[in-house]
Amino acid sequence: DADVTQTPRNRITKTGKRIMLECSQTKGHDRMYWYRQDPGLGLRLIYYSFDVKDINKGEISDGYSVSRQAQAKFSLSLESAIPNQTALYFCATSPRGGSNQPQHFGDGTRLSIL
Amino acid sequence: AQSVTQLDSQVPVFEEAPVELRCNYSSSVSVYLFWYVQYPNQGLQLLLKYLSGSTLVKGINGFEAEFNKSQTSFHLRKPSVHISDTAEYFCAVRSGNTPLVFGKGTRLSVIA
Repeated sequence: DADVTQTPRNRITKTGKRIMLECSQTKGHDRMYWYRQDPGLGLRLIYYSFDVKDINKGEISDGYSVSRQAQAKFSLSLESAIPNQTALYFCATSPRGGSNQPQHFGDGTRLSIL
Repeated sequence: AQSVTQLDSQVPVFEEAPVELRCNYSSSVSVYLFWYVQYPNQGLQLLLKYLSGSTLVKGINGFEAEFNKSQTSFHLRKPSVHISDTAEYFCAVRSGNTPLVFGKGTRLSVIA
């Protein structure tokens, strides 16, 4: 089983719908992240959480919200989806202990908004 | 604030030829540097990392990178590429307690 699991893997939906992307991990890491990937733009940080009670906005948080339900679960919501939120979304985790720790990524959720 | 510049968006190279993917970073404090690889339809996999010590870092699949503090660079190299190295490569930087900041990626295409 994957250490960082994202569901769904693919989703097609309509403008205005509410969408939730889920991420769960079995690595026991405290820190979790949501990024989006767009062609030619690399990965941009949406939100991150250093523990269950700590949520922080990233570079591009507008239009998104998150929930850290437990140490192992971190969900990303689009309250009212719009076409320019069509992208590949990645969840990542890292252990507590400083900036020398790499982040571990899930396989991504491909989201298309029509 | 940190930033990463990957100087080439696409790099085509013939099989068994050497390759260098360039990465420059900016930061006012000490940094940790990473290279990730993304194969088609997959997530990101850590290729190698520079934390401290020797400036030449070896990673998986025969890749290596050299940290150059004076030039604020962390270029990725491989002496002989294979078709299976075709992928997108991301350079990333981190310092303090911040999440990784990524470059825009370099798409490596290995031609038979």
